[in-house]
Amino acid sequence: KQEVTQIPAALSVPEGENLVLNCSFTDSAIYNLQWFRQDPGKGLTSLLLIQSSQREQTSGRLNASLDKSSGRSTLYIAASQPGDSATYLCAVNEKLTFGTGTRLTIIP
Amino acid sequence: DAGVTQSPTHLIKTRGQQVTLRCSPKSGHDTVSWYQQALGQGPQFIFQYYEEEERQRGNFPDRFSGHQFPNYSSELNVNALLLGDSALYLCASSAAGAMNTEAFFGQGTRLTVV
Repeated sequence: KQEVTQIPAALSVPEGENLVLNCSFTDSAIYNLQWFRQDPGKGLTSLLLIQSSQREQTSGRLNASLDKSSGRSTLYIAASQPGDSATYLCAVNEKLTFGTGTRLTIIP
Repeated sequence: DAGVTQSPTHLIKTRGQQVTLRCSPKSGHDTVSWYQQALGQGPQFIFQYYEEEERQRGNFPDRFSGHQFPNYSSELNVNALLLGDSALYLCASSAAGAMNTEAFFGQGTRLTVV
């Protein structure tokens, strides 16, 4: 059974800093991995999709990497802004299996 | 282009009642999945519909059932509501039943069972 873990559960960093969010999964036989952000009480906004044949994807200040052999993905956020404050979730495969998320707070 | 839309946004029901939630997928998408998200947790997969059939199902009891219509919209039905069914219910759509397509989510329906 696939299990997805995100550590830490919460993270606070000063505005302007670069940061990395972590996601690990137990079964390396994945089709894809997707990163989402969720604002309180809202739905999920897709940030990046990495297919199993890819090692990374970039969108603006966001860069996601995938290492299937080690069962890990990272989401790198450059030059963080207060508007980046949200919960970030990773999920694997079509029947999305989610981690519990990292609640990110950017301190102005 | 309207994204994934869900209705209603909020709902309060009494224990034992039945509820129906609705979802319209993003234009061009034909696959709809439903998730339950308890407070402070990641979403949990309920089931997925493709070509009007339930294609995959998560670990949820038969009280949870669904339907997909020819226009790809979908309903989630929950019977005999329990207090523990209180959660944010999320609908996601994707394209062509493929494995490597991006999923897009609606804003969710907040269900409160009292």
